[in-house]
Amino acid sequence: GAVVSQHPSRVICKSGTSVKIECRSLDFQATTMFWYRQFPKQSLMLMATSNEGSKATYEQGVEKDKFLINHASLTLSTLTVTSAHPEDSSFYICSARAVNTGELFFGEGSRLTVL
Amino acid sequence: GENVEQHPSTLSVQEGDSAVIKCTYSDSASNYFPWYKQELGKRPQLIIDIRSNVGEKKDQRIAVTLNKTAKHFSLHITETQPEDSAVYFCAASIKNTDKLIFGTGTRLQVFP
Repeated sequence: GAVVSQHPSRVICKSGTSVKIECRSLDFQATTMFWYRQFPKQSLMLMATSNEGSKATYEQGVEKDKFLINHASLTLSTLTVTSAHPEDSSFYICSARAVNTGELFFGEGSRLTVL
Repeated sequence: GENVEQHPSTLSVQEGDSAVIKCTYSDSASNYFPWYKQELGKRPQLIIDIRSNVGEKKDQRIAVTLNKTAKHFSLHITETQPEDSAVYFCAASIKNTDKLIFGTGTRLQVFP
């Protein structure tokens, strides 16, 4: 099946630094990618929709200047957590919708720990 | 806003028994309802989905039923096995978008 690769899988950073997470569709093109945040033992909360070649659309309550999203190509979207704080520590998961089938595939997730 | 409720939050069954997880959604325009299985620390995996023009769909031991009038859909797992143990999430599409709203999850434990 189609593969979505997310990198890094784990990252630890100091408070105040910025962290970039990449989401790649390896064998299919995705005009739309989604970024989710998942706290321990909780559901996936949609943060934003990443559209290739245009600005991302953010869900209510998600700060666009805090969580910068870039979807520069049909196979890559990046999420940058700027000036990270301990409360940003979470599991971030991306998903990509295949252009040809419309099916949604998830990345393996990135666990961010901010000290 | 749109909402998906999921019950129960935890479910324990004996191997071989059936498990049923139920979800209700608020957006009457939702037309796509996938179910995902997530093992600890791993990505969600699609296990079955159903569209609003179908009332029931089955794939081996897994089935999903949809009641559009009641805005309710359910996951049924028969002949459960220990490897079915995981967290299961339902989701519903949001009208006129590609977005999904996820339920709160059900932790299923199947005891040998």
